[in-house]
Amino acid sequence: KAGVTQTPRYLIKTRGQQVTLSCSPISGHRSVSWYQQTPGQGLQFLFEYFSETQRNKGNFPGRFSGRQFSNSRSEMNVSTLELGDSALYLCASSLGQVNEKLFFGSGTQLSVL
Amino acid sequence: AQKVTQAQTEISVVEKEDVTLDCVYETRDTTYYLFWYKQPPSGELVFLIRRNSFDEQNEISGRYSWNFQKSTSSFNFTITASQVVDSAVYFCALSEYGQNFVFGPGTRLSVLP
Repeated sequence: KAGVTQTPRYLIKTRGQQVTLSCSPISGHRSVSWYQQTPGQGLQFLFEYFSETQRNKGNFPGRFSGRQFSNSRSEMNVSTLELGDSALYLCASSLGQVNEKLFFGSGTQLSVL
Repeated sequence: AQKVTQAQTEISVVEKEDVTLDCVYETRDTTYYLFWYKQPPSGELVFLIRRNSFDEQNEISGRYSWNFQKSTSSFNFTITASQVVDSAVYFCALSEYGQNFVFGPGTRLSVLP
């Protein structure tokens, strides 16, 4: 069974640009969550989607948005990139039951220059 | 508010030693879930342990054990007979009922041959 797949693996952008990251969950999983990982702030929750609806949201500015498609694949978008957005962005999937374990992808390493 | 503290920043042990990683959490909820994840250099977080606050149900993967003390809000994690492949960053996480994960800052474990 294939794991969680995130593309691209690495991305370099400049300030002010926008970026879209993609996540394909494990087959059958209906929930997708996104996390940002930085050396200074650690792992922080961005948002969770379940059956195409945002179910939970962290404390990030509106520049960070996401969506989920009918096949459960998810995309995350960051507009007007700032230097501080440089991070490893991790996607996780699950069946969608309450407080179950998450399965993570290898992440997208975003560098903003 | 949820909070997770991992006081040990880095630990080094020699192969075959047992090693315990500490985790202290804060929550006002009576129903919550605790997790341990491992992050190898490849980046993805790998599930190790899940334990709830209200009964003996748990989920565990591999040569691991835990010590859950509700009175001191601690959820320590032990690797028995450590191996070089156990070298990674280990994260403790807390999830209140229906809420997202809050991760601790992580402990970097180095297992030396």
